[in-house]
Amino acid sequence: QVQLQESGPGLVKPSETLSLTCTVSGGSISSYYWSWIRQPPGKGLEWIGYIYYSGSTNYSPSLKSRVTISVDTSKNQFSLKLSSVTAADTAVYYCARLGHDFWGGYHYYYMDVWGKGTTVTVSS
Amino acid sequence: EIVLTQSPGTLSLSPGERATLSCRASQSVSSSYLVWYQQKRGQAPRLLIYGVSTRATGIPDRFSGSGSGTDFTLTISRLEPEDFAVYYCQQYGSSLTFGGGTKVEIK
Repeated sequence: QVQLQESGPGLVKPSETLSLTCTVSGGSISSYYWSWIRQPPGKGLEWIGYIYYSGSTNYSPSLKSRVTISVDTSKNQFSLKLSSVTAADTAVYYCARLGHDFWGGYHYYYMDVWGKGTTVTVSS
Repeated sequence: EIVLTQSPGTLSLSPGERATLSCRASQSVSSSYLVWYQQKRGQAPRLLIYGVSTRATGIPDRFSGSGSGTDFTLTISRLEPEDFAVYYCQQYGSSLTFGGGTKVEIK
């Protein structure tokens, strides 16, 4: 079955750019949307954005000015860049697949496959 | 952006009891775009229910979802030990947002 694995530095300095990659295994990255979500310590989930395999994106309004999500179909990977980070960006970062159903005339979207998450700390 | 408010923040119940979790939206949400997840400590979230009431693959039938418009409910009919966790609702419209979560803890 499809599995996701996040990778990237666990420590980033303030004002620098956080970069993470999610590798998709056990299936193709094609024909799906792929999402990034984060969770600060002891807090709830925050959606960052998603990308379609073709490259179209949608970002959270609160993070849009600092976020770039890209996809590399040849490597079955998608990536997150978050610029100008501060301590508030310290979190567990998850990648997830946005699954899709269509029936009864309606589209259904849901995050059905998640990576285990990777902890990123912003500190000097 | 649609804001989702979950209540209560914490629900203290015993195994075998019924759990009722609420998710209220700041504006109407399409029923096909309302989703519930379960998250256990130290784990990634797990998809429970999508389209308000459709259980994901492998989810036991003690979990059920209902609601429409701005008010949605997740019900766990009889709590099993493995159900004590945090539950999040999520909506997908032009943007995607999560509720703040409800923790179901052992009384």
